[in-house]
Amino acid sequence: DTGVSQNPRHKITKRGQNVTFRCDPISEHNRLYWYRQTLGQGPEFLTYFQNEAQLEKSRLLSDRFSAERPKGSFSTLEIQRTEQGDSAMYLCASSLARPASGPHTDTQYFGPGTRLTVL
Amino acid sequence: GQQVMQIPQYQHVQEGEDFTTYCNSSTTLSNIQWYKQRPGGHPVFLIQLVKSGEVKKQKRLTFQFGEAKKNSSLHITATQTTDVGTYFCAPRREGGSEKLVFGKGMKLTVNP
Repeated sequence: DTGVSQNPRHKITKRGQNVTFRCDPISEHNRLYWYRQTLGQGPEFLTYFQNEAQLEKSRLLSDRFSAERPKGSFSTLEIQRTEQGDSAMYLCASSLARPASGPHTDTQYFGPGTRLTVL
Repeated sequence: GQQVMQIPQYQHVQEGEDFTTYCNSSTTLSNIQWYKQRPGGHPVFLIQLVKSGEVKKQKRLTFQFGEAKKNSSLHITATQTTDVGTYFCAPRREGGSEKLVFGKGMKLTVNP
């Protein structure tokens, strides 16, 4: 399968615990995005990377959230001291941005998501 | 901030009917992407519209970008049960960041 993969697919944790999710993008893609989706809503942007550089973070991303993409390939999203309000589907998307094509031209391909339940 | 409104939020149609969903933005858009999410699934890319007034077709789906690049529509003809899901528009604001700003989506159910 050459699509975006995410692990784990489901995570149940108790309030106050730390969790980490992993995203493996499509291999040649230089951009990686994280979104969060709750029931009945569209995905909400959290952050994105171009190669290993984190270029934008949403105000939704509190100091309990941190994301990394150390080698410009896979990425991890960590949530510290989880709260019940963190329960959501965490989606990763990747894209290939070509500078010569200009801004806003990349197409984002989403992974299956990690569903987090905080008890 | 950028506001995106999709209407209607819910649509229930009889199999074979046509329908249209609309996406309206408060700001001028650079481009707009449409995604479909099946129940229990993840968003799947459908199309990207870039030019003012652009119209693109995918089989029974017709996508249009408004002349002012502030709105877009998706028209489905002869709906089938396989069309069931939530359709999201995801625009990018002119001069804005690379992130997609999703609307709440339009949830389609089809009566066979």
